[in-house]
Amino acid sequence: KAGVTQTPRYLIKTRGQQVTLSCSPISGHRSVSWYQQTPGQGLQFLFEYFSETQRNKGNFPGRFSGRQFSNSRSEMNVSTLELGDSALYLCASSLPGTGGETQYFGPGTRLLVL
Amino acid sequence: GDSVTQMEGPVTLSEEAFLTINCTYTATGYPSLFWYVQYPGEGLQLLLKATKADDKGSNKGFEATYRKETTSFHLEKGSVQVSDSAVYFCALSTGNTDKLIFGTGTRLQVFP
Repeated sequence: KAGVTQTPRYLIKTRGQQVTLSCSPISGHRSVSWYQQTPGQGLQFLFEYFSETQRNKGNFPGRFSGRQFSNSRSEMNVSTLELGDSALYLCASSLPGTGGETQYFGPGTRLLVL
Repeated sequence: GDSVTQMEGPVTLSEEAFLTINCTYTATGYPSLFWYVQYPGEGLQLLLKATKADDKGSNKGFEATYRKETTSFHLEKGSVQVSDSAVYFCALSTGNTDKLIFGTGTRLQVFP
């Protein structure tokens, strides 16, 4: 069974631009979550989607948004990029969420904002 | 709010030494507890989990026991290998969502 895939793997953008990251979950998984990993803040939860609905949201500004499609694939978008948005963005998927399910992580998208 | 506290790293050990990485948590309700590992340049991999008090998770020689009375989930391994060098994250989830709250991570360096 294929794992979680994320595209692109690496991305370089400049301040003020916007970016869209994509995540394809493991087949059969309907819950997708996004995390931001930085050296200073560690791993922080961005949002969680289940059956195309945002079920939970972390403490990030409105420039960070996401969505989930009917095939469970998910995208996250960051508008008006800032230098501090440079990070590894990790996507995770899990079986239909009842809570406490094991999250399976993708390799991440490394975003560099110049 | 819910939180996870891990011991500061790096932890530096010689091969075959005993490993303990401390993890304590604060949570409302009854969380599920996880240890994830991140090897250099890679994403996170689940190492082990426990979903209720006194459960013991184990995998690849690593173990952790869910201790409700001390709100702890310490990671242990009897004999570490150079290949265990990585960053280890303790995490919890609560309620009916899969949102994970992570500790800050502990870097383990094992030397031959």
